[in-house]
Amino acid sequence: GESVGLHLPTLSVQEGDNSIINCAYSNSASDYFIWYKQESGKGPQFIIDIRSNMDKRQGQRVTVLLNKTVKHLSLQIAATQPGDSAVYFCAENYGQNFVFGPGTRLSVLP
Amino acid sequence: DTAVSQTPKYLVTQMGNDKSIKCEQNLGHDTMYWYKQDSKKFLKIMFSYNNKELIINETVPNRFSPKSPDKAHLNLHINSLELGDSAVYFCASSYPGTGYEKLFFGSGTQLSVL
Repeated sequence: GESVGLHLPTLSVQEGDNSIINCAYSNSASDYFIWYKQESGKGPQFIIDIRSNMDKRQGQRVTVLLNKTVKHLSLQIAATQPGDSAVYFCAENYGQNFVFGPGTRLSVLP
Repeated sequence: DTAVSQTPKYLVTQMGNDKSIKCEQNLGHDTMYWYKQDSKKFLKIMFSYNNKELIINETVPNRFSPKSPDKAHLNLHINSLELGDSAVYFCASSYPGTGYEKLFFGSGTQLSVL
């Protein structure tokens, strides 16, 4: 079936730097995408979403970019903080369902 | 105040046993889900219920049986537990369940089958 994948399974960044987490999706019919953050021992938590009629959406310190031509999604975190350390998932809609990518672990170095 | 709550948090049991995981949401959502997260953090949907009606039933062994007594509850019963069932199980909910809204997840149930 269709799947969502990530280029980098782990990412280490210095505190204060910007982080970029990438995601490749394969279902060209998907038109809604979400980024989730999962901290240790907790469930995934919504960060930001984007519809396919947009190519960029900004939140507080986070920006999601969507490139439908190459089926690529990215999450940018500005001024990364220790509290940003977590596993990040992209998800694409697939009918009434969501398909999740395998996740990227973000480690913030002091 | 917890939006999606599931119990127990941890479940350790022997192979062959039958166990249940309970989930409740107080968000008034119509749609509830069960997801399985394996040791590599991969999240995969198992079931989806909309207003007590089964909507999605992915390829899951029939030892897994979801039960929705009302739209605020979705329980997961597992018969004859196997080693490969060890994982973290997440309950989630959304409104209205069309695939264009975010999911609210519970904190997970870590199931260990010995």
